Amino acid sequence: KNEVEQSPQNLTAQEGEFITINCSYSVGISALHWLQQHPGGGIVSLFMLSSGKKKHGRLIATINIQEKHSSLHITASHPRDSAVYICAVRKENTDKLIFGTGTRLQVFP
Amino acid sequence: DTGVSQDPRHKITKRGQNVTFRCDPISEHNRLYWYRQTLGQGPEFLTYFQNEAQLEKSRLLSDRFSAERPKGSFSTLEIQRTEQGDSAMYLCASSLGLVLETQYFGPGTRLLVL
Repeated sequence: KNEVEQSPQNLTAQEGEFITINCSYSVGISALHWLQQHPGGGIVSLFMLSSGKKKHGRLIATINIQEKHSSLHITASHPRDSAVYICAVRKENTDKLIFGTGTRLQVFP
Repeated sequence: DTGVSQDPRHKITKRGQNVTFRCDPISEHNRLYWYRQTLGQGPEFLTYFQNEAQLEKSRLLSDRFSAERPKGSFSTLEIQRTEQGDSAMYLCASSLGLVLETQYFGPGTRLLVL
């Protein structure tokens, strides 16, 4: 079993829909990252969380440390949000990241 | 553009050949990470440096792989005697090395071993 699990693996939405991507992990962590990867490979960091909730524009990320679960929400989705969204955790007492397999999001006009 | 650059962006090679990739991190970043990503999967940790010191290596990094960061600035990742299973995207990231901070990723080098 992977230490970081994401769901769903694939997600299709109509423009304007509210989107939720989930991430569960099974190890102790010091931080959780949400990353965005566009075709061609470039990865951009969206959020880093150690507790609570963060918001940036239409994106909201939450984390529940006790339940070892995080969610990424996109409000008013747009076709330019189409990308792979990856959850990654930084294990306690280490500096390396462990990644989920990603959620491929397609938003249609 | 995150400020992290990688070269080359694409590499096609024949099985058995050696390849070398370069990563230039953001200049003030003292941490540098290498990851590998195969199609449809998330990235996997390979190794990381604190300045010029290689602090951790994954078990994925076989004897055919070697990474260096000789002056604590740019880093190279060499794969000797490439195999078809080495075909992947090789990603580099850098950070300041603080406990809670973002890693900045380069665009990656896509390797295809024929």
